[in-house]
Amino acid sequence: DTAVSQTPKYLVTQMGNDKSIKCEQNLGHDTMYWYKQDSKKFLKIMFSYNNKELIINETVPNRFSPKSPDKAHLNLHINSLELGDSAVYFCASSQDQGRMETQYFGPGTRLLVL
Amino acid sequence: QKEVEQDPGPLSVPEGAIVSLNCTYSNSAFQYFMWYRQYSRKGPELLMYTYSSGNKEDGRFTAQVDKSSKYISLFIRDSQPSDSATYLCAMTLNSGGSNYKLTFGKGTLLTVNP
Repeated sequence: DTAVSQTPKYLVTQMGNDKSIKCEQNLGHDTMYWYKQDSKKFLKIMFSYNNKELIINETVPNRFSPKSPDKAHLNLHINSLELGDSAVYFCASSQDQGRMETQYFGPGTRLLVL
Repeated sequence: QKEVEQDPGPLSVPEGAIVSLNCTYSNSAFQYFMWYRQYSRKGPELLMYTYSSGNKEDGRFTAQVDKSSKYISLFIRDSQPSDSATYLCAMTLNSGGSNYKLTFGKGTLLTVNP
């Protein structure tokens, strides 16, 4: 059973399009995250939600809008895609948002904007 | 200066070698220190964590933290080809109230040659 799953695995699209990435966790965790990993492998947090409430919102363009319909899901919608959005996007979850919570990562969604 | 600096590698060693992976950080407010391992085309997974200065051992892996020097290390003894992966150091920082966020280093790509 996959603990944290993401769809799609690969996404190739044109500049200017709108796309969504979905994430689901079956671990019963309260907190979910979106990370972006660029071509140099630098992994940076974008958002975190705890019990469907936005907790962390890093300096991310407002073209990126997360949505958490319930505790087990955190989706990421991206408007007007740009070349610089090409990256691997990871969803993660943890039991809570405390300082020592282990985060469990999904397999990643590889986004390529042409 | 980035908050977390990590030797970028890549690092290539023969099987059985001792590997040393290192990170430095600038913010003394970081509280917990972790090492994540990321296999190619997979999400990161937690390898080890520690919160105090000193060493923590788990099998072939030893995590070392020196808070006075703001320096953390991961040592791998008797390295195996299956250890070939990118190793990311990560640290937690209070982002307000009871919320914490993980800040990652850029990762070091390790290849263990049979």
